[in-house]
Amino acid sequence: EAEVAQSPRYKITEKSQAVAFWCDPISGHATLYWYRQILGQGPELLVQFQDESVVDDSQLPKDRFSAERLKGVDSTLKIQPAELGDSAMYLCASSLGTSGTDTQYFGPGTRLTVL
Amino acid sequence: GQNIDQPTEMTATEGAIVQINCTYQTSGFNGLFWYQQHAGEAPTFLSYNVLDGLEEKGRFSSFLSRSKGYSYLLLKELQMKDSASYLCAVRDPYYGGAANKLIFGTGTLLAVQP
Repeated sequence: EAEVAQSPRYKITEKSQAVAFWCDPISGHATLYWYRQILGQGPELLVQFQDESVVDDSQLPKDRFSAERLKGVDSTLKIQPAELGDSAMYLCASSLGTSGTDTQYFGPGTRLTVL
Repeated sequence: GQNIDQPTEMTATEGAIVQINCTYQTSGFNGLFWYQQHAGEAPTFLSYNVLDGLEEKGRFSSFLSRSKGYSYLLLKELQMKDSASYLCAVRDPYYGGAANKLIFGTGTLLAVQP
């Protein structure tokens, strides 16, 4: 069964350092999402791609976060500099599209701890 | 604004039936999803409702009433492995920059006891 791949699974960093997360969606999925999930809360969308284009980054803190999906396949989310409040689970998801029964499938996530 | 409400925690007994409720108030509606999330793991898809009524899938069923802004997830014959957080998410076609954005509730943490 096809899965969304993410790496690393865990990342510990010090504040002011740069971190990067990688995601490889299910093959053929045009839509890719990055979510942040704080413990005890539901996932919150940071950025959404349709192929290589950003269609929603309204909740992305653009002063420190950036995301790209250059060839419309895998994607990278970067934080520079990291702050204590960035400690969270970062989830990547993908779907065929955004309508009808298109379901978002999640990867295993990256647990970020900022010290 | 967007609002999705679920109970924070529930406790049930192994072998029993439990119903997890979700109410929502969103700008628009284009489907409701339920996901299961074990501690420290990614959410996994359970069910999807877009029309009123009951969708059954094995031990799990999900119900939707669009006029009431209400859904529930029904878990039958509870097993210990069902202990997890259950997330309700609404697809809203009008909210935010992207079409059909998925808005998640905070989740209901279900503890199944022997």
